[in-house]
Amino acid sequence: DTAVSQTPKYLVTQMGNDKSIKCEQNLGHDTMYWYKQDSKKFLKIMFSYNNKELIINETVPNRFSPKSPDKAHLNLHINSLELGDSAVYFCASSSRTGGYEQYFGPGTRLTVT
Amino acid sequence: DAKTTQPPSMDCAEGRAANLPCNHSTISGNEYVYWYRQIHSQGPQYIIHGLKNNETNEMASLIITEDRKSSTLILPHATLRDTAVYYCIVRVAGNTGKLIFGQGTTLQVKP
Repeated sequence: DTAVSQTPKYLVTQMGNDKSIKCEQNLGHDTMYWYKQDSKKFLKIMFSYNNKELIINETVPNRFSPKSPDKAHLNLHINSLELGDSAVYFCASSSRTGGYEQYFGPGTRLTVT
Repeated sequence: DAKTTQPPSMDCAEGRAANLPCNHSTISGNEYVYWYRQIHSQGPQYIIHGLKNNETNEMASLIITEDRKSSTLILPHATLRDTAVYYCIVRVAGNTGKLIFGQGTTLQVKP
């Protein structure tokens, strides 16, 4: 009955590799988000999609590319991984008609070596 | 974007009420105050939100001052499981739902 799920939970990879993180929500929400939480625990929004349309695109390196195949899924692809990309990535979802409360996934801990 | 100011840390005795303050003096008339918390290593969890009136749900109460420049989150009977980082956020006006997280208050509930 997981509301917002992310895969994988842990991801260890080497510099220069390309990796993807997947997110799915079964709440019927129309908006999904990606956040990055760095080692100092600062949580920052990266992207948001509403009904498959990109509505938030913060200052993020273009090595990061989100993709939303449908309302229930939002994936994050990262090219040419760098050490500084190591962080916990959280996916979240909300409903525009439901008060915008965001429900977060459990996070994906990415470690780049 | 309206900024929020919270104390970096607070302690509370188990079973007592935890009152977490937040200042948001630059808040606009159509901006909501949201509270989230993040228990260690988990994703943030929505607690409550409000515009002008005080709000209460099964988790907490939110008291917003009349001038809306500050608010207080109240956990009526804190338990050890309430130990977490609590974020007070002013939701950016518009229809994107964008939240800007600050540093939050680390609440330590002690037995």
